[in-house]
Amino acid sequence: KQEVTQIPAALSVPEGENLVLNCSFTDSAIYNLQWFRQDPGKGLTSLLLIQSSQREQTSGRLNASLDKSSGRSTLYIAASQPGDSATYLCAVRPGGSGGGADGLTFGKGTHLIIQP
Amino acid sequence: DGGITQSPKYLFRKEGQNVTLSCEQNLNHDAMYWYRQDPGQGLRLIYYSQIVNDFQKGDIAEGYSVSREKKESFPLTVTSAQKNPTAFYLCASSRQRYGANVLTFGAGSRLTVL
Repeated sequence: KQEVTQIPAALSVPEGENLVLNCSFTDSAIYNLQWFRQDPGKGLTSLLLIQSSQREQTSGRLNASLDKSSGRSTLYIAASQPGDSATYLCAVRPGGSGGGADGLTFGKGTHLIIQP
Repeated sequence: DGGITQSPKYLFRKEGQNVTLSCEQNLNHDAMYWYRQDPGQGLRLIYYSQIVNDFQKGDIAEGYSVSREKKESFPLTVTSAQKNPTAFYLCASSRQRYGANVLTFGAGSRLTVL
């Protein structure tokens, strides 16, 4: 059974720092991996989606990388801002014939606080 | 703007009552999903539907029921059989069940059992 782990569970850094959030998964046979942002009491907002054949995706100050063979993904946030404060979740979708979006496995998230 | 609308945002229920959470999308997506989120936990799939009049159980379907009579609507009923219903419920949709689809979420409904 796929397991997704996010480290650290919580992180607090001063504004302006570059930071890295980690996501690891136990089964490397994935279809894609998606990073989400969740603000308190709100739904999830998709940030980046990386297909299994890709190594990275970029959107503005965000860069997500994928190393499928080692079961790892990182979300890099450049020049962090207080508005980046949120919980960041990664979700892995299985590959193969069972690779429907219903098969997503979510991590528990990293709670990020950017201090002004 | 296209998106997913969940209602109500907050709901209180007495033990033994059934409640229904609404989920409506105007994205023309075929697939829709219901997740449950508990504090400090990852999301867990309750039910999903890939087409009208069809739906499948997820990992934690016991005590829940759904219907998919229209493409844009996927309501979730939390029945009295659900032992621990207090949670944050999230509805999501994707263009299709398969393929490189981004999952789009609603804002969530928080259910509290009194």
